[in-house]
Amino acid sequence: SQTIHQWPATLVQPVGSPLSLECTVEGTSNPNLYWYRQAAGRGLQLLFYSVGIGQISSEVPQNLSASRPQDRQFILSSKKLLLSDSGFYLCAWSEESEQYFGPGTRLTVT
Amino acid sequence: DAKTTQPTSMDCAEGRAANLPCNHSTISGNEYVYWYRQIHSQGPQYIIHGLKNNETNEMASLIITEDRKSSTLILPHATLRDTAVYYCIVRGGGDYKLSFGAGTTVTVRA
Repeated sequence: SQTIHQWPATLVQPVGSPLSLECTVEGTSNPNLYWYRQAAGRGLQLLFYSVGIGQISSEVPQNLSASRPQDRQFILSSKKLLLSDSGFYLCAWSEESEQYFGPGTRLTVT
Repeated sequence: DAKTTQPTSMDCAEGRAANLPCNHSTISGNEYVYWYRQIHSQGPQYIIHGLKNNETNEMASLIITEDRKSSTLILPHATLRDTAVYYCIVRGGGDYKLSFGAGTTVTVRA
C-alpha cells in the first residue's frame, strides 16, 4: 500500500532563515505530487504541483520554491522566511483522481 | 473551478446519520463532486466522489441531485471520531487542482 511521509512534523524558524521541507511517497511510481499551505483557521491553498521529475508548476507567486529531484520526493524551500510563511504545510500525491495527504508540517516563523 | 456553498457548522448526535449539504449550482458537465474531511491538526482525508450517480463506500454515501446543482454527503452512523471539517469540492476531470473552501465544521456529540 502507498504511504506518504513528511518531516519535520513541527518547525520553529526565525524570520530570514532558510527552509527545507521534505515529502516522500512509497508504494507508487510516477505520482502527481502537491504542496498545500493552510494558514491558521483558513482553507488549504495549493502552492505547487508536479507531474514528473523536474516538472514543477507554481500556483501562486510567493516566497517559496519547490523541487522534485527524484520520482517520489518533493521538496519545499525558501531562501529567507517571512512571518507570513507560517502555517500548516501539506504534501499530497495522486495517481488518478483522488489526492492523498501526508501528516503535514506545522511551521511557525518568529 | 465551480464554487461550492456549505453551511458553516452543524451538530450531529452520535449513532445518528449526518447529512451534509453542498450547493454547486454552476457545476459543469464534466466536473466531479469530491468530499474530503480534515480532523484537527491532520491532513485532509479523501471520502468519496461522484459525477452523476449516487455513490457509496465504506465511509459514506454521496447523493447528487438529478440537475447536479447540489449534493449531500451522508455519514450513516456518526461517531465521535467523525468530528472534523468536511469539504465539498467541484473539480474537472482533467484538473489537478483541489480548491478547498471553508467547509462545514461537523461536531458529533455523545
